[in-house]
This record gives sequence, structure tokens and C-alpha cells, in this order.
Amino acid sequence: QVQLLQSGTEVRKPGASVKISCKASGYTFTAYTVHWVRQAPGQRPEWMGWVKAGDGNTDYSQKFQGRVAITRDTSATTVYLDLTSLRSEDTGVYYCARAGNGWYELAHWGQGTVVTVSS
Amino acid sequence: SYELTQPPSVSVGQGKTARMTCEGTNFGSRGVHWYQFKAGQAPAMVIYYDRDRPPGIPERFSGSKSGNTATLSISRVEVGDEADYYCQVWESGGDQWVFGGGTKLTVL
Repeated sequence: QVQLLQSGTEVRKPGASVKISCKASGYTFTAYTVHWVRQAPGQRPEWMGWVKAGDGNTDYSQKFQGRVAITRDTSATTVYLDLTSLRSEDTGVYYCARAGNGWYELAHWGQGTVVTVSS
Repeated sequence: SYELTQPPSVSVGQGKTARMTCEGTNFGSRGVHWYQFKAGQAPAMVIYYDRDRPPGIPERFSGSKSGNTATLSISRVEVGDEADYYCQVWESGGDQWVFGGGTKLTVL
């Protein structure tokens, strides 16, 4: 079965960077796009961007352009989210999610990674 | 920016039917997808492309869309269905995946 296993809790100071991983299994890794979605406390989920695991192409939400990078390692079947210049508003739960066969739906999700940004 | 509007909360008695709405503009051919978020768990897609149900999701979960309103219905509601439910569409103008504000389902 499809599984997305994310790395553990992170605590950072403002201005620092964070890199979160998402280990995929149970399907052909290069055949699907993986997205990152974050949810700040009490807020709706917010789409950050995606990577096509096959060719590494990416697309990012304009809100995060310049601060975010999504990469993948096909040999490790792992997708990464890099977020720089962290501020307190970046505190939240970060999820990876694999697209479905129709492209627009997020069919499978990771368990989430808590990121806390605090001085 | 494109917005999806959901009622903040819905309460329903155990065994009854819960209906949660999602309002947008120009829904047209946009596919609406629904997700169940429970604290400490991986979110789960419960309905995709308006009315399709993924494998493993009970038949009690169903979706529909009419005009600019999509609806997620859960029949024979169970205590285990308590969760936050979010609708989502792809917004072509900004090439964005957009989520609604979510509805908290409480089972009485």
C-alpha cells in the first residue's frame, strides 16, 4: 500500500532554514507528483508546491517563491522540502501528499511534520 | 484570490446524516475533492472529482455538486467520523491548489 513517511519534529529560530523529508513506498515513485501542504494553527491547509518525481520539475505557490525548494532523490524514493528565512508565521504542520491518477486530487498523505519557529 | 467557503461547524446525532457544503465561484468543470483531517493522523481523501470514493472509504461517504455548491454527505454517522473536513479545488488562474476553511463535524 502507498505510504509516505515524514521526518520528525523540528524547532528553529527566526531566520533559519529547515529541510523536511518524505519517504515514499508502495508505488512507482517516478510515476507521480508529490505536493507539500502546510497547516498553521487554526488555519486552513495551504498549498506550497509540487515536484514531478519523474523529471524533477517543480512549481511553487507565489506566496513561497524565493524561500522554498522541493527536490527529490529517486534512488531513495524521497521528496524534500526546504524552507528558508523562517519566521514565526511558518510555525505549523507540514504534510507531503501524493497526487492521484487525475493530477488534481491529493490521494495519499504523510503523517505530518511539526515545525516550530521561535526565538 | 480564489476562495472556497465552508460552514465552520456541523453537529449531527449518531446514526443520522451529516451534510457539509463548500461554496465557490465558477465551479463549472472544476473537480471538488474532500479530505478528512484528524489530530495526530495522516489526512485522508474521502471524495475526489465531486463524487468518486477512494478504495477503503465507506459507502456512507458521498459527494455531489450543483451550481457553485459542492456537498459532502455522511450517512449513518459514527463517533469515529468526528473530524475536520476540507474541500479543495485546483484554481487554474493562479495554478494553485486551494482549500476551503474547513468544517468541524461533531457527533452528538
